[in-house]
Formats: sequence, structure tokens, C-alpha cells
Amino acid sequence: NAGVTQTPKFQVLKTGQSMTLQCAQDMNHEYMSWYRQDPGMGLRLIHYSVGAGITDQGEVPNGYNVSRSTTEDFPLRLLSAAPSQTSVYFCASSPRGGLLAKNIQYFGAGTRLSVL
Amino acid sequence: AQTVTQSQPEMSVQEAETVTLSCTYDTSESDYYLFWYKQPPSRQMILVIRQEAYKQQNATENRFSVNFQKAAKSFSLKISDSQLGDAAMYFCAYRSAAGGGADGLTFGKGTHLIIQP
Repeated sequence: NAGVTQTPKFQVLKTGQSMTLQCAQDMNHEYMSWYRQDPGMGLRLIHYSVGAGITDQGEVPNGYNVSRSTTEDFPLRLLSAAPSQTSVYFCASSPRGGLLAKNIQYFGAGTRLSVL
Repeated sequence: AQTVTQSQPEMSVQEAETVTLSCTYDTSESDYYLFWYKQPPSRQMILVIRQEAYKQQNATENRFSVNFQKAAKSFSLKISDSQLGDAAMYFCAYRSAAGGGADGLTFGKGTHLIIQP
């Protein structure tokens, strides 16, 4: 009954360091997304994927890379962390659209990232 | 591009009373989905209720109901018999039906709901 699993839950980086936020889902969902949540800004879409091998940019993609080699995993990479990337990051997944799918996105518990 | 606006940064209600959270959105599409998500201090995003734009009937889930006005592009959430556990941030979100909704949700900035005992 895992759903969407994000690791780590907390991370502190220094400016210029790189890291990967992990996201895995066990619901066989085709669609996966990454969001960032900043105070007073709500959640904003960073990147999304409609299936293995297919990714696209969302509203705020700069500074982030993604890839999707399997249906289950959708890692988010920060190549050179900046203080502006301090945020809470959420991964979400959903089945392909349709009435049965109900177009619901299921969210992970989030990763709180601080860049010093 | 779609936008979602929540004009109430914070709302306060007495326990057992009813409160309504406002949401308006802007879109040129005719087919879409609208959602309310709850985010308690644990940070977990919890789906409260969803509405399909093609349905005229307002969605209801126990104490939660919506007032969906498609022409006015309004989607308010009513919480009846407020409970202490309802205290949280509430986010209104839009999802296009085009392409199966693959490109994620557009969120409002949220409303912080305080429940007074």
C-alpha cells in the first residue's frame, strides 16, 4: 500500500552541490509530475512525464533535469543547487486519463530541501 | 494558460459552524476537472473533492460540498459542521481534460483555514 514514495524527506545542500530527489510509485501509473511549493505560491509544476522515455517541462523547469527510464521511477536532478531552489518538492502520479481514472493525482509526502 | 485564484489567504471559523472557501479560475477550455486538496501540517496533500466540468451537479463528499458555477468560472468549497481536524491549508486546483490531463495540475496559492474551538 505504498503509493508514491519520495526520498529523502529532508536535505540540506551547499550552493553548487548536486543531488537527486527520488520518486517511486507502485500503482503502475503512466503520468508522473514534480512540483515545488514555496510560501505564498502554492504548488508549481516543474517537469512531468506521460510514460517511460517521455518527459516535458512545466511552469518552472530551469535548474532541474528529469528522466524516466521505467514506469515506476521519476527522479528529479539538481545539477548545481542554488539558494532559490530552497523549497518543498512533491512528486505525484496519476493513471492515464479516462472516466475510471477520475483524473486524480496522488502525491508523495514531499522533500524539504534547503540550499545554503 | 490557465490560472487559479484563491482570494482568501486565511479564514477562521468556529467549531461546528459552516465555512466557504472561494476559488475562481480562468480557462478557454470547455472540458476540465477541478479539485480541492487539503494540506495539514504534516504536508501531505489530501484530495478532498473533485468536480468534472461537464457535470452540472455539484459534488459532495460527506461534510464537504462545492458550488460549481461554470459560466462564472467559480468553484467554492463549503465545509459544514467544521471540526478541529479540518484546520489546514486548502488548495484549489485545475486540470485540463485535453491529452488526458497529462500535464499536471494548476494550483491556487491556498487558503489557511483556522478552526476556533
